[in-house]
Amino acid sequence: DGGITQSPKYLFRKEGQNVTLSCEQNLNHDAMYWYRQDPGQGLRLIYYSQIVNDFQKGDIAEGYSVSREKKESFPLTVTSAQKNPTAFYLCASSWFRGDEQYFGPGTRLTVT
Amino acid sequence: AQSVSQHNHHVILSEAASLELGCNYSYGGTVNLFWYVQYPGQHLQLLLKYFSGDPLVKGIKGFEAEFIKSKFSFNLRKPSVQWSDTAEYFCAVRGISGGGADGLTFGKGTHLIIQP
Repeated sequence: DGGITQSPKYLFRKEGQNVTLSCEQNLNHDAMYWYRQDPGQGLRLIYYSQIVNDFQKGDIAEGYSVSREKKESFPLTVTSAQKNPTAFYLCASSWFRGDEQYFGPGTRLTVT
Repeated sequence: AQSVSQHNHHVILSEAASLELGCNYSYGGTVNLFWYVQYPGQHLQLLLKYFSGDPLVKGIKGFEAEFIKSKFSFNLRKPSVQWSDTAEYFCAVRGISGGGADGLTFGKGTHLIIQP
């Protein structure tokens, strides 16, 4: 089955620790995205990548980092610099930037 | 820059009622428009999209949306809702300029609850 996988579904971390969220797609899409979803805030773009070894900051990139070493993988690291990291994180991909996006199931991160 | 406004954050309806969820966007040029739905515990998925042509777009599960360019609107409608339509609905816009398409910008979502 083609699709996007995110792991784990739930993640718990202590404050001050970096944590990496996984996103893998087998749709052969060039573009990949990371969003943060908070109640009443909709989806806010953290980072996106249009091609391997290239990525751009979105609207709320501070405290996050990404890499795109392989076409199918776009991991997101939530660093200790992120002031409010507890949220639901969604990964998406598309053929190109601006095209219809396909979403993964999300990872709910709780930092205490 | 493009932006999207969804008028209602929470909507509660009874089964068989008619539904209309408002979506207005801000962008001066050509746009592509999308409605996504997030059912409880499921992936965000595409409900319907408008790129060009007939401004009345039909999507999955009996949903439709009408693009009214003069009003910068793309409202979602369904004549008779079911309990299974309970979900979060997101409107999204993509602006298209001479330099290429921008990314999608999402509204804040409307949480729809259908009471049996």
